[in-house]
Amino acid sequence: DAGVTQSPTHLIKTRGQQVTLRCSPKSGHDTVSWYQQALGQGPQFIFQYYEEEERQRGNFPDRFSGHQFPNYSSELNVNALLLGDSALYLCASSYRQGRGDEKLFFGSGTQLSVL
Amino acid sequence: LAKTTQPISMDSYEGQEVNITCSHNNIATNDYITWYQQFPSQGPRFIIQGYKTKVTNEVASLFIPADRKSSTLSLPRVSLSDTAVYYCLVGERDDKIIFGKGTRLHILP
Repeated sequence: DAGVTQSPTHLIKTRGQQVTLRCSPKSGHDTVSWYQQALGQGPQFIFQYYEEEERQRGNFPDRFSGHQFPNYSSELNVNALLLGDSALYLCASSYRQGRGDEKLFFGSGTQLSVL
Repeated sequence: LAKTTQPISMDSYEGQEVNITCSHNNIATNDYITWYQQFPSQGPRFIIQGYKTKVTNEVASLFIPADRKSSTLSLPRVSLSDTAVYYCLVGERDDKIIFGKGTRLHILP
């Protein structure tokens, strides 16, 4: 049983470019959340997708957008990249049971460097 | 969302029991308490979750007092490989799961 897989593992872009990161959730999971983690900081919540819709969003600008596909996989898009967007981007999947005991399973992340 | 407060860092020695306490004074009735472990350049990993009293699994124990305003993660007989960042999270159902800064645990030989 494959866990959460993310691609690519590393990416180098220049300012102003656009990037797309991909995530395949753990088998049986229907919810995908994206996090940004800067060096030495905790993961910062970007948004969550469930039933192909954005359900929750953190304090990130509209340059950050996403999509969830019918097979529950997800993409994170970042437009007009800034130097400050350099970070580890983490995808987490879960099964939405609606009881408050949701457990996140994380991928290994995509390390994005913006030059 | 209930805010959590944890020590920024802790040091311990191999073979010792380590207890990390998390404060969550505003925890709501439906909130569960969940702990994650993160190694450098990896995603966080679920360790343990509880609602009240005590929960134990093969990795750790979680102690939650009756008022649920705090919780303690207990790691028995730590080794060097337990050096990591530990996050305490509290959240309601279907709510966005927010990570704080966590506790950096450093195990010394």
